[in-house]
Amino acid sequence: EAQVTQNPRYLITVTGKKLTVTCSQNMNHEYMSWYRQDPGLGLRQIYYSMNVEVTDKGDVPEGYKVSRKEKRNFPLILESPSPNQTSLYFCASSLWTGGIRNTGELFFGEGSRLTVL
Amino acid sequence: GEDVEQSLFLSVREGDSSVINCTYTDSSSTYLYWYKQEPGAGLQLLTYIFSNMDMKQDQRLTVLLNKKDKHLSLRIADTQTGDSAIYFCALVTGANSKLTFGKGITLSVRP
Repeated sequence: EAQVTQNPRYLITVTGKKLTVTCSQNMNHEYMSWYRQDPGLGLRQIYYSMNVEVTDKGDVPEGYKVSRKEKRNFPLILESPSPNQTSLYFCASSLWTGGIRNTGELFFGEGSRLTVL
Repeated sequence: GEDVEQSLFLSVREGDSSVINCTYTDSSSTYLYWYKQEPGAGLQLLTYIFSNMDMKQDQRLTVLLNKKDKHLSLRIADTQTGDSAIYFCALVTGANSKLTFGKGITLSVRP
């Protein structure tokens, strides 16, 4: 089954304790992205990756890191989490790479709810 | 920057039609999308329209695109309780073809 898998789905942590949210897709998609969803603010892009070893900042990259060593994986790293990073995080992937030769549909994971105390 | 605007909340009675609106500023978008987010889940593509189309119909869904007014709408006919969700308008914008989402509208369907 085609899917985007995120782990963990729920996490409560404390300020400053490094954590990683993993994301894996099995659709051979070039494009992957991380979003955070907050009430009243909608979806905001954190980082995205057009292909392996190619990553770029989105709208709200501060406090986050990503890596794209393999096509299928795109982990989100919070080196020193703070309470303002409490949010619902979504990973997404797509065949679309900017050339727009397909519908550009984004496939989303189920979300990871992170609470930083 | 790119702007995609949506209202935040809509309540309709079961069986009525729902109309969800979206306005945007970037007129160069190639594809415009509607995503649906059910409670506790990620977003799923509901439907999309190519920018050279004015209308697209898919069963109970009708998408209307007014390029002159930069206005996109989604009409759901015979709205059901299972349609209760958050609906996001999204479009490809900018030189790097970034996908920009609206803030999402919560559709509540009452019996």
